[in-house]
Amino acid sequence: GENVEQHPSTLSVQEGDSAVIKCTYSDSASNYFPWYKQELGKRPQLIIDIRSNVGEKKDQRIAVTLNKTAKHFSLHITETQPEDSAVYFCAAGTGATNKLIFGTGTLLAVQP
Amino acid sequence: NAGVTQTPKFQVLKTGQSMTLQCAQDMNHEYMSWYRQDPGMGLRLIHYSVGAGITDQGEVPNGYNVSRSTTEDFPLRLLSAAPSQTSVYFCASSPGVLTYEQYFGPGTRLTVT
Repeated sequence: GENVEQHPSTLSVQEGDSAVIKCTYSDSASNYFPWYKQELGKRPQLIIDIRSNVGEKKDQRIAVTLNKTAKHFSLHITETQPEDSAVYFCAAGTGATNKLIFGTGTLLAVQP
Repeated sequence: NAGVTQTPKFQVLKTGQSMTLQCAQDMNHEYMSWYRQDPGMGLRLIHYSVGAGITDQGEVPNGYNVSRSTTEDFPLRLLSAAPSQTSVYFCASSPGVLTYEQYFGPGTRLTVT
């Protein structure tokens, strides 16, 4: 069945450093790849997404890259700040059904 | 707009009891989904719907039923609760046309003893 693998499961960086989280997906029909941030006790919130016709997308300190051939996509956070500390989830899906399969999450800790 | 609302916020059930988790959205979104979140497992899709009257199974549908009689509401029913269903349940909705972003509700924390 469809599967999304996410690595690493935990990531600790110093404030100001960059953080990279990687995901791979199995369903070649996937064409939509969002990233969600979840703070403790809160609901997941979309931070950035990319569609399969685009290789890279940036929004200020956050960027996502997609390699459809290898079925890889990655989240890059530059100049990390303590408020970036949270759990980050990648997901893969098809826009037609809006069915999303999530990765298992990465706990990012930004040390001041 | 209230967005996506879920009730109750917390619930404790005994094994074998049944209950319905409520989810409603006031954004006229066509797509709605139910997820469960367990430590270390991420968000797993239970059931989803692409419109009123249409539902389909996700990754972990066993033990759960859904229906979508209106665009606004998407209740999740547990027919006979089991301890393995102890989890946090999130409902989400999405316009599904120009944007695929899913908007999540605040969640329901369910404990089955």
